[in-house]
Amino acid sequence: DGGITQSPKYLFRKEGQNVTLSCEQNLNHDAMYWYRQDPGQGLRLIYYSQIVNDFQKGDIAEGYSVSREKKESFPLTVTSAQKNPTAFYLCATGTSGYNEQFFGPGTRLTVL
Amino acid sequence: KNQVEQSPQSLIILEGKNCTLQCNYTVSPFSNLRWYKQDTGRGPVSLTIMTFSENTKSNGRYTATLDADTKQSSLHITASQLSDSASYICVVSPRGTPRANNLFFGTGTRLTVIP
Repeated sequence: DGGITQSPKYLFRKEGQNVTLSCEQNLNHDAMYWYRQDPGQGLRLIYYSQIVNDFQKGDIAEGYSVSREKKESFPLTVTSAQKNPTAFYLCATGTSGYNEQFFGPGTRLTVL
Repeated sequence: KNQVEQSPQSLIILEGKNCTLQCNYTVSPFSNLRWYKQDTGRGPVSLTIMTFSENTKSNGRYTATLDADTKQSSLHITASQLSDSASYICVVSPRGTPRANNLFFGTGTRLTVIP
């Protein structure tokens, strides 16, 4: 897990609510990522950011939003528009050259 | 289409036995391949990275092999331990202009070691 923290570890949400997942890093990496992991499936990219104040959609961005106001922080908001949000969410950071990523410990989100 | 496929999807072995996990990829041109171990409910942790010119690399009881000609990699675990129970994910990075969203992930092999 290194210098990447995600909070909370477990999160429960009622349908129709927005929730924000925190990701903080002290690795001084420019790139940050959010992935979603479902049972039996590979990691799917939600959003990524290469520099502060800039981010791009990944493969499954619908129903999610992010911000990158500080280099150390890349919070993910799961909105009520995300129809099936129950999943394990992983934050990662990337080195220059982008050929390696370091992962945080994850947040498990459950919609009640 | 660039893809990474892993097999088997799941595997159960007895403690102390050896096992081999497979990763086939179509990513081209190829830069490097990394194996991650992901414990249940945790983030993936890198086990080993292999570049185009490397055939074998070891990390303790883990040995990764790479055949860049056939685009295949394997992860061999020797004398398995209960703590080896995890998912093992193969990740391939293409060669070329670095881009932030340039990694290709396999779906993983779920290994269960039983006493």
